[in-house]
Amino acid sequence: EDQVTQSPEALRLQEGESSSLNCSYTVSGLRGLFWYRQDPGKGPEFLFTLYSAGEEKEKERLKATLTKKESFLHITAPKPEDSATYLCAVQARSSASKIIFGSGTRLSIRP
Amino acid sequence: DGGITQSPKYLFRKEGQNVTLSCEQNLNHDAMYWYRQDPGQGLRLIYYSQIVNDFQKGDIAEGYSVSREKKESFPLTVTSAQKNPTAFYLCASSPVAISYNEQFFGPGTRLTVL
Repeated sequence: EDQVTQSPEALRLQEGESSSLNCSYTVSGLRGLFWYRQDPGKGPEFLFTLYSAGEEKEKERLKATLTKKESFLHITAPKPEDSATYLCAVQARSSASKIIFGSGTRLSIRP
Repeated sequence: DGGITQSPKYLFRKEGQNVTLSCEQNLNHDAMYWYRQDPGQGLRLIYYSQIVNDFQKGDIAEGYSVSREKKESFPLTVTSAQKNPTAFYLCASSPVAISYNEQFFGPGTRLTVL
């Protein structure tokens, strides 16, 4: 069964303290892995798509990496405005129209 | 501006009533989706549609119904058969193409059953 697990559930960091969020996945043939940011009471905002192991993508203080079993979202020198829930999702080759979401990591950055 | 709109933002329903949530997109995307999000949980797929006049059940379709009469619109009806409808509902769309799979989301509708 296709599955996505994110850890930790919640993470509190001091401003400027770098860290990583983990997304472990089990899927029958990965078509794509997606990262989204979601602010409270709003819809998810698309961040990155990764397609193959070894791929990396960056946007401002965020960098996403992908291996055959997991993806990491690295956040460098975070600011309070980076506080949000970060969602990971995967799409299997066998099910091109559906993506499976993890339950998210709630990130809080203290000034 | 291109995007996805959902209305209303907040919706209150009495038990036994059907309610319809609106979702419109002007991105010219072929596929549209409805998800339900409960506190501390991931998004769960209710229904999806890849083409006009066609749609498929997702993982939690019981108690919901949809229609896709126009490419731009994908309304969701929450029926009285849905036992626990209080949740945050999200609509999404995506192009149907081999190398472009991202889904883009609307702002959501929060439904509360009184």
